[in-house]
Amino acid sequence: AAGVIQSPRHLIKEKRETATLKCYPIPRHDTVYWYQQGPGQDPQFLISFYEKMQSDKGSIPDRFSAQQFSDYHSELNMSSLELGDSALYFCASSLALWGYSYEQYFGPGTRLTVT
Amino acid sequence: DAKTTQPPSMDCAEGRAANLPCNHSTISGNEYVYWYRQIHSQGPQYIIHGLKNNETNEMASLIITEDRKSSTLILPHATLRDTAVYYCIVQETSGSRLTFGEGTQLTVNP
Repeated sequence: AAGVIQSPRHLIKEKRETATLKCYPIPRHDTVYWYQQGPGQDPQFLISFYEKMQSDKGSIPDRFSAQQFSDYHSELNMSSLELGDSALYFCASSLALWGYSYEQYFGPGTRLTVT
Repeated sequence: DAKTTQPPSMDCAEGRAANLPCNHSTISGNEYVYWYRQIHSQGPQYIIHGLKNNETNEMASLIITEDRKSSTLILPHATLRDTAVYYCIVQETSGSRLTFGEGTQLTVNP
């Protein structure tokens, strides 16, 4: 079965540079989520999109932005990178239907290292 | 979303059942109990979820108490590959964010 695809898997950037992470959800899933997991920490929700519209926003820095495109893939754009942005970034996808509950499927993550 | 409480760590012998408890005493009537696990630095993996009835799938069983204030995830025959951090998460409906707590580090020993 198709899974969530994330690219790149590893990324090394310097401080103040920009980075773009890409996520391709499972076909027919209409909701995409982004999570950040710092070293030794639990995943933290950043932002989500339903049918290409932002549906929820968590603790995402103003330096970060994200969008979901017409083909449902999503991109997380990160600017003015800081050392503290070094983390694993997970994308997840799911169906979303009011009154029902569907699980989220996670991608393998992108490991971002800021030097 | 309701807060959950899990023991920080548990050990289990290979081949034995692993029973992971979770307290969610503030759960509301329309909130589901979800279990995910994360094997070291991999993406979290969905295991099972339920509303009020016990559930079973090919991976595990979920037992929810009648008052829904706690639940237990059961891995019937734990293997070394089940060593992971297990997260119990309460979620209202699909499309909602997952709020990860500290989870339980399950170590399956040979």
